[in-house]
Amino acid sequence: TQLLEQSPQFLSIQEGENLTVYCNSSSVFSSLQWYRQEPGEGPVLLVTVVTGGEVKKLKRLTFQFGDARKDSSLHITAAQPGDTGLYLCAGARTNAGKSTFGDGTTLTVKP
Amino acid sequence: NAGVTQTPKFQVLKTGQSMTLQCAQDMNHEYMSWYRQDPGMGLRLIHYSVGAGITDQGEVPNGYNVSRSTTEDFPLRLLSAAPSQTSVYFCASSSSGGHTDTQYFGPGTRLTVL
Repeated sequence: TQLLEQSPQFLSIQEGENLTVYCNSSSVFSSLQWYRQEPGEGPVLLVTVVTGGEVKKLKRLTFQFGDARKDSSLHITAAQPGDTGLYLCAGARTNAGKSTFGDGTTLTVKP
Repeated sequence: NAGVTQTPKFQVLKTGQSMTLQCAQDMNHEYMSWYRQDPGMGLRLIHYSVGAGITDQGEVPNGYNVSRSTTEDFPLRLLSAAPSQTSVYFCASSSSGGHTDTQYFGPGTRLTVL
């Protein structure tokens, strides 16, 4: 059973467009993290959200944690080719450190 | 700091062979973990450790063993490789394993089992 569903699975857009990717679950999480992974490398943490309704901004990236702490979204404004990569969400329920990852959204931004 | 290092970067095994994937971190992190990533999928937790001498199973532990004799090292052993274990393996570490901690990932080991 996949606890975290990410959508869309693939997204190909032109430079300058806006996009939103989603991470949904029927389970409540203590925190949710977003990672970006480039080909041939390990994932790199972008942000951690903890509070229901929390919004965090990282330059052109806006992350939101759902009020019920079951879902999250990542919005990118004016996408650039450097945003290309696999975006992964990961949820954790306790302080045990066991994160559950979604299957990821592969984003391609064409110049 | 080198961060999290993994060796080898690539490995090809025959079915039934055994091998050890090495992972080391120089950040004095207590928590270390092993994940596998299959094409088009996210990461699945194999085993994890909250400190030296303590290990526990993750989501997909069958066919793998781990030990944690030092804070720095967390090797993953494949006992008898199977084609289903063809995957990319990532080691990660964080300071204490808390749910808001940053996990730092190594560059991965790409394993093919024939």
